[in-house]
Amino acid sequence: DAKTTQPTSMDCAEGRAANLPCNHSTISGNEYVYWYRQIHSQGPQYIIHGLKNNETNEMASLIITEDRKSSTLILPHATLRDTAVYYCIVRALTGGGNKLTFGTGTQLKVEL
Amino acid sequence: GAGVSQSPRYKVAKRGQDVALRCDPISGHVSLFWYQQALGQGPEFLTYFQNEAQLDKSGLPSDRFFAERPEGSVSTLKIQRTQQEDSAVYLCASSPLQTGGSSYEQYFGPGTRLTVT
Repeated sequence: DAKTTQPTSMDCAEGRAANLPCNHSTISGNEYVYWYRQIHSQGPQYIIHGLKNNETNEMASLIITEDRKSSTLILPHATLRDTAVYYCIVRALTGGGNKLTFGTGTQLKVEL
Repeated sequence: GAGVSQSPRYKVAKRGQDVALRCDPISGHVSLFWYQQALGQGPEFLTYFQNEAQLDKSGLPSDRFFAERPEGSVSTLKIQRTQQEDSAVYLCASSPLQTGGSSYEQYFGPGTRLTVT
C-alpha cells in the first residue's frame, strides 16, 4: 500500500471546520483513500473512504485532488468530541489486501 | 447493537508468563484482524482470519505469538514467555466482507492493554 504523510498535530476551534490534509503521492490507480480516527483509550473508528470522487457522509467530507496525490478530510462543525488522532490510509481492495497500514496520524485538538 | 468486545481490558504479566487475549467479533463477521499498538504509534497489523482460516500471519513479531479462531467466531491471541517489548495495546477488528468486497470497513474493539513487568 502507498505511504501517506500527515501533519503531526492540528488545533481547531469548536464549531469551526477542521480540515485535515494527507499526502499520498505514490498512490496507485486501484488504491482507495480511507480515514479512521482514534479517540483516547478507544479502538480506531472508520470515518469515510473514496477512490477519486469527493465523498460525504454524516460524519465528514472527503476531498480528493484530481491527480489523487493528496486529500483532505473535512469535519464541518468540529466539537470537543472530535478530539482524536486521525489516520489517513491508502489501500487496494484486492485479494489479501484487507489489512490496514496505519501511520502516526494527526492529533486533532478541538478547543473552546 | 453489540460491537467487537475484548477481554481482559487490562492485563499485567510478569516477564516470562504466558497470556491469552480474547476477541469476540460482531456476530456474522467473516474477517477478523489483530493489531498491536505501541505507545504513541499507530496500530500495526499482526494477523488476519477469514472464518477459521488464518490467511495472513506476516505481522506476528516472533514465534512466541500465536492466534487461533477454531470455530470462525471468537479468536484468541496467545503470547508465550512474555517480554517487556510485548507491552502494548492489542486491538481486534472484524469485518463483514471477504476478500473482493467493495467495502472494507473494519470495526475495532476497545483493545487489551498488556503491561509486562
